[in-house]
Amino acid sequence: DTEVTQTPKHLVMGMTNKKSLKCEQHMGHRAMYWYKQKAKKPPELMFVYSYEKLSINESVPSRFSPECPNSSLLNLHLHALQPEDSALYLCASSLISGGAGQPQHFGDGTRLSIL
Amino acid sequence: TQLLEQSPQFLSIQEGENLTVYCNSSSVFSSLQWYRQEPGEGPVLLVTVVTGGEVKKLKRLTFQFGDARKDSSLHITAAQPGDTGLYLCAGPTQGGSEKLVFGKGMKLTVNP
Repeated sequence: DTEVTQTPKHLVMGMTNKKSLKCEQHMGHRAMYWYKQKAKKPPELMFVYSYEKLSINESVPSRFSPECPNSSLLNLHLHALQPEDSALYLCASSLISGGAGQPQHFGDGTRLSIL
Repeated sequence: TQLLEQSPQFLSIQEGENLTVYCNSSSVFSSLQWYRQEPGEGPVLLVTVVTGGEVKKLKRLTFQFGDARKDSSLHITAAQPGDTGLYLCAGPTQGGSEKLVFGKGMKLTVNP
């Protein structure tokens, strides 16, 4: 069991659907992350939130829209996705370190398939 | 741009064998982290190394941080099928952000 909880575990959606991925942590971490991971590849950073503010957007297409409602929750809203967006979406959290590189705690991910 | 190069990228061995995974860079890192990711799960932190020359042990796993803090290695003794997974090294980027740079990973399969 991880301390970062992601829902749903699996999601199948059509290219015209709108869905949301959810992530929750109660470790008091104030940095939260979204990653995209393809099979047998490392995670690719999408977004970073620090103190509930978006601090990094790695040039992610606008069909992915992150939201951080409070310090424990992180959402990723999906709309008009493409088949190449099929991947494992990982959420992570960490303490704020100002660049010292705090270890990140990952959830088990949402396996997303776009039809 | 900071890069972390891992080698080998794939390894398939028999139970009981030893192995070493390398994580190299031309850049200095203030620390490096090692994660293991098993199929269907997220990466799990194994260790953080901070001091140049540091050696840390976690049961059959030995981690070393290079003296110049540009490289790290992971040695597994007497590998077991439960060690199967994707091993990732990662380090903080320069500039004060919370971003980590990841190596491409080493996919290990330990056959019984």
